[in-house]
Formats: sequence, C-alpha cells, structure tokens
Amino acid sequence: DTGVSQDPRHKITKRGQNVTFRCDPISEHNRLYWYRQTLGQGPEFLTYFQNEAQLEKSRLLSDRFSAERPKGSFSTLEIQRTEQGDSAMYLCASSLGSWASGYTDTQYFGPGTRLTVL
Amino acid sequence: AQKITQTQPGMFVQEKEAVTLDCTYDTSDPSYGLFWYKQPSSGEMIFLIYQGSYDQQNATEGRYSLNFQKARKSANLVISASQLGDSAMYFCAMRRTQGGSEKLVFGKGTKLTVNP
Repeated sequence: DTGVSQDPRHKITKRGQNVTFRCDPISEHNRLYWYRQTLGQGPEFLTYFQNEAQLEKSRLLSDRFSAERPKGSFSTLEIQRTEQGDSAMYLCASSLGSWASGYTDTQYFGPGTRLTVL
Repeated sequence: AQKITQTQPGMFVQEKEAVTLDCTYDTSDPSYGLFWYKQPSSGEMIFLIYQGSYDQQNATEGRYSLNFQKARKSANLVISASQLGDSAMYFCAMRRTQGGSEKLVFGKGTKLTVNP
C-alpha cells in the first residue's frame, strides 16, 4: 500500500530561481490538494484538483505559482522567480472524493517538500 | 469564514496518563467536519480522527477520542495512556461537508511532549 509521495524532500535554491515539486497521490484518489506550512503555523490551503481540473485556488497562490495535474494522476507545483518569503514546507494531500467516501473525504498527506530560498 | 483556535502552544504529560488538547472553531456552515492530525518532527501529517457535525456520538479511534460539544463549538482531542511516540505537533482542522470549498482550515497546533 503506497501513500502520498513527494519529490524532492528538500530543495535549496537561490532567490530568483524557478523550482518545481512533484506529488504522487494514493492511486485510487481523484482529489489532490496543495498546502503550504510556514514555521509555527498550521498548513494553509493553496489549490485543489479533481481529476485533471483545478477547481479551487487560494489568494495565496500568486501569479508566480502554478500547479498542474495533466492526466489526473501526479501533480506538479512550480514557483517562478522564488523569493525568500516562499521558504516553507509544501504539503500535498489526496482524497477519494465525497461521493466515494461520504462526507468524511479524509485528506491523506505526503511527507512534504521543504523549500529554502537563500 | 471558518476559523480554528488552538490555545495551548505546548502541553506536557507523563507517560501512561491521559491528556486533552483543546480546539474551538467558528463557522456559519450548517454541515462541517472536524479533523485531528498529528505531525511528528519528520513533517508528515498523519490523520487521527474525524467528527461530523451531525454525528450524535463522539468519535473514537483506539486511544484517541474526540470530545465534541457542538453548542460550545469545541472539538477537543483526548489521548488516553500516552506513549513516548505521541510526542509531536497536533493540529485541529475543519472542512465544509456540503458544497463550497473542499479545503481544510487548520489551527496553529499544539506541541505535545510525553515525559517518561
């Protein structure tokens, strides 16, 4: 049984560089979510996909951020022209979808990608 | 808007004792779900327990139980017989369960330390 996986686990980059993170959800899950967690805070929602459709985006997702889920399986999150304020843990989660799991639709998280922008 | 408040930045408990982690919430939605997650130092968020707003009974999962008081808008997590491995950050979260956003809204968390 494979859980949610994320790659890379750690990324150090210089300000102004582009970075891309990958998330592989649990195989039968059709919903995929991205969250960002800064030090001392709980995760904050960024965006969510149902299959390949991006259905919701947070105002936190500035123009420098873009997420894709081209075939409804894995997803990528790209940050262009990184800033020091982008330093955070980026968490991916997946869920079955409400019609399959009822109202619970528990989100299961991956191990996260820790981004440090120098 | 939904809001989760966790007022205990840190809690300490002796091994084998019970501990309660507080969570209060604010929402105008009639239907919602409340979740607790554990985050060890490794960083992964681990789902612990769920309570639906219309559930009549408090949720239980092994050593975890949720003390749900709807009128007071509280959803406290009770961990019985604490173990050293329970030392971690604990986050309370909520989500609408009928229409609208699918996002989880999290509190700031409580750091639990279990002493031997």
